[in-house]
Amino acid sequence: QVQLVESGGGVVQPGGSLRLSCATSGFTFSSHGMHWVRQAPGEGLEWVAFIRHDGSTTYYADSVKGRFTISRDNSKSTLYMQMDGLRAEDTAVFYCAKATSYYGSASYDSWGQGTLVTVSS
Amino acid sequence: AIQLTQSPSSLSASVGDRVTITCRASRDISSALAWYQQKPGKAPQLLIYDASSLESGVPSRFSGSGSGTDFTLTISNLQPEDFATYYCQQFNTFPHSFGQGTKLEIK
Repeated sequence: QVQLVESGGGVVQPGGSLRLSCATSGFTFSSHGMHWVRQAPGEGLEWVAFIRHDGSTTYYADSVKGRFTISRDNSKSTLYMQMDGLRAEDTAVFYCAKATSYYGSASYDSWGQGTLVTVSS
Repeated sequence: AIQLTQSPSSLSASVGDRVTITCRASRDISSALAWYQQKPGKAPQLLIYDASSLESGVPSRFSGSGSGTDFTLTISNLQPEDFATYYCQQFNTFPHSFGQGTKLEIK
């Protein structure tokens, strides 16, 4: 069955960096677009970033543009998010999610369990 | 960016009730709308895609309708496991966006 497992979360100081990973299995990773979505404590869902199936195109929320970089390694079926210049307001559970298609205009049919990122001094 | 406004923000209902949640988009998104259910401490799960298509494995008491800017999620014959938070989401245009959520509680 489809599995998405995030890792790499933790506590980091403001201005610091973290790299999240999302290891996947159970589907043809190279055929699907992938997203990162986050949820601040007690808050709703916020879309963060998208990458096409072949890595050729990426999109970002304005709140993270220029600080976060989404990437993928199709040979390892793994999605990444490099997060630099972290701020307190980036504190959230980060989910990776699988798009139902290779392109962006599709819903998200599988989600990981999430990894918590806490930005605090 | 497209804004999604859900109503109500919270809702109390009883087992066996029928409830409706609405989602309004700030501009036309055709049928590029999904509904997700989220339980505390868990990841969201896809219920409805393309506004009205039921995701595989989701009970038929869940249904979605609408197109353009106005959408609804209806849950018939509420079951205890349906008490959760529900989000609409548009995937017509980047940045994708979610509604603020509707918390469905037991009356």
